[in-house]
Amino acid sequence: ILNVEQSPQSLHVQEGDSTNFTCSFPSSNFYALHWYRWETAKSPEALFVMTLNGDEKKKGRISATLNTKEGYSYLYIKGSQPEDSATYLCALSRGAGANNLFFGTGTRLTVIP
Amino acid sequence: DTGVSQNPRHKITKRGQNVTFRCDPISEHNRLYWYRQTLGQGPEFLTYFQNEAQLEKSRLLSDRFSAERPKGSFSTLEIQRTEQGDSAMYLCASSFLAGQETQYFGPGTRLLVL
Repeated sequence: ILNVEQSPQSLHVQEGDSTNFTCSFPSSNFYALHWYRWETAKSPEALFVMTLNGDEKKKGRISATLNTKEGYSYLYIKGSQPEDSATYLCALSRGAGANNLFFGTGTRLTVIP
Repeated sequence: DTGVSQNPRHKITKRGQNVTFRCDPISEHNRLYWYRQTLGQGPEFLTYFQNEAQLEKSRLLSDRFSAERPKGSFSTLEIQRTEQGDSAMYLCASSFLAGQETQYFGPGTRLLVL
C-alpha cells in the first residue's frame, strides 16, 4: 500500500478565483501520476497522466505540474467556474508491470457563484 | 457513447443477501479493473483482469467476493452474504495498456447494505 496524500481535503472559492491543490506521494515508488475530476453522479474523468520530473500539462483552465524527486504534484485551476465544482483525485502507478492505481482521498472543490 | 457502463447504479440489499454488479468496458480495452470507495476514502483497488484472466487480487477481496470476465468482455462482481461493511461505491475501469496508460472509469454502483 502506498500513501498518497492530498490537501486540502475541501475548498470553497469564489467564481473567478484561481486555486491549487497538492498531491504528495512516495518518490521512491513512482511510475506515473494520474489526475481525475469526479463530479457527483458522474464517472471520474481523466485529466492528466504525468510521468517525467518537471512535466507540466494543461487542459483549458486546468494545469498540473510534477516533481518526482520530492514527491508532489500541483493541480491549478485558473478563474474557477461553478462547473469546476467536483472532487479532484490523484493516483499513483508504481511501475510498468503494476496495474492498479493508488488513490489519494481527494480534494473537494466548491465554486461559489 | 462508448464509455464504461455499470449496472445497476444503485443497489439496496439486506445483510446476508447476495448481490451482483456488471461492468461493460470500452470495447477495445483488454484490461478491466474493479475498485471500491468507502466514505471519506479514495478508491481502493480490488482486482484486475487482462482479457478473461484475473491477474491480481487485493487483500480487500475477501472470499465472499468473486469477479469474472467471461470471454474477456463484460465483467461481474458478486458479493455473497453481504455485510454492512460492504456498503460502498464500486467502480469499474478499463484501459488498453498498463502503467501510465489512462484508466477510464464507469459511474459506479452504490451499494447500501441494511
